Amino acid sequence: QSVLTQTPSVSGAPGQRVTISCTGSSSNIGAGYDVHWYQHLPGAAPKLLIYGNNNRPSGVPDRFSGSKSGTSASLAITGLQAEDEADYYCQSYDSSLSGSVVFGGGTKLTVL
Amino acid sequence: QITLKESGPTLVKHTQTLTLTCTFSAFSLYTSGEAVGWIRQPPGKALEWLGLIYWNDEKRYSPSLKSRLTITRDTSKNQVVLTMTNMDPVDTATYYCAHSRSRYHDFDYWGQGTLVTVSS
Repeated sequence: QSVLTQTPSVSGAPGQRVTISCTGSSSNIGAGYDVHWYQHLPGAAPKLLIYGNNNRPSGVPDRFSGSKSGTSASLAITGLQAEDEADYYCQSYDSSLSGSVVFGGGTKLTVL
Repeated sequence: QITLKESGPTLVKHTQTLTLTCTFSAFSLYTSGEAVGWIRQPPGKALEWLGLIYWNDEKRYSPSLKSRLTITRDTSKNQVVLTMTNMDPVDTATYYCAHSRSRYHDFDYWGQGTLVTVSS
């Protein structure tokens, strides 16, 4: 069971907007630690999509955005495209486990 | 451009020790703020963080695997080595190394990953 909780699956039609949530606790997201998001396509290495809650690395389209509030964070994808179909993971840091990196359980995005 | 690449055995036997090497370029583990992490993904399952080694040689390990893990660095070779003892079939996974920024504790560059199968 992952320390960060994600909905197992979401879906949307091309062009639509979807959000993926990530729920933590007072020892990780709620403690002020940054949340990061990764896109993981089959057979490829995970790709950093959002870092520091709402920052996009160079080359990541502005269709992807992140937000954080309290003990939760969200990844929003607008203008869904077929190539967005992938697994998405949130990640943060947890102070209760001698200082540990923690991942969410992942969300499978299906583009209908 | 930062690159990382994992190398090591693709098959290990139950109870054996796994040793994986991460060879990286375009950054130095002597530079303040730099770190290298190990993450794995069992088939069909989620990403799981294993550990981190920082520029100052500080190490952090997953609490659930701490007793089995050791991460070391060879800065002269730009390499980080992961050792995991007492391997079990449930440890079958793709193992990744990744560059981390200690300011964020994120992983901004990843290796391609290497699939390690543990036979019973």
